[in-house]
Amino acid sequence: QQQVKQSPQSLIVQKGGIPIINCAYENTAFDYFPWYQQFPGKGPALLIAIRPDVSEKKEGRFTISFNKSAKQFSLHIMDSQPGDSATYFCAASRSGGSNYKLTFGKGTLLTVNP
Amino acid sequence: DAGITQSPRHKVTETGTPVTLRCHQTENHRYMYWYRQDPGHGLRLIHYSYGVKDTDKGEVSDGYSVSRSKTEDFLLTLESATSSQTSVYFCATGQLNSPLHFGNGTRLTVT
Repeated sequence: QQQVKQSPQSLIVQKGGIPIINCAYENTAFDYFPWYQQFPGKGPALLIAIRPDVSEKKEGRFTISFNKSAKQFSLHIMDSQPGDSATYFCAASRSGGSNYKLTFGKGTLLTVNP
Repeated sequence: DAGITQSPRHKVTETGTPVTLRCHQTENHRYMYWYRQDPGHGLRLIHYSYGVKDTDKGEVSDGYSVSRSKTEDFLLTLESATSSQTSVYFCATGQLNSPLHFGNGTRLTVT
């Protein structure tokens, strides 16, 4: 059972475009939703995260939109740059208890052309 | 990289041989994780630890075992490696309800 579904698998945009990556989750107990960015040969690194008490969070050119009723969240990259070319993963987890672990989507390979 | 060191970074081994991957952290994080990354599958949790000698299975734990005898070290063992275990393995650490920090991975090839 795939608990976090991510789309699209790959995405190509031109410099300055606004790529959007979408994720949907099934477990209503999830209450922490981070996005990770991964460059080739490196481990994933936290990009931005949101909790369900807000519908949007912005950090620089990166924005998370969150729709609790639809159980969906998305990443928008404003004014995308070739340096943003990477693989992006959404993830989800539930707080509380000792059983703390992240469930990841399958990833989106983003290519930003100059 | 939150002081996470994975070793070795690359390994080639033969089917049926035992393999141990090591993750060492200097952040004193309570939680440690082993993920594998494969094309089309993203990151899948193998095992994790929520304290010294406290471990639990993830979604793809078959064929793997782990041990954590010290806060800073988390070992992943493939008792008898198979070709299906060819993958990139990532260790991650973190504190409760905080972001995970990942190492740079170990690329394992089983021939």
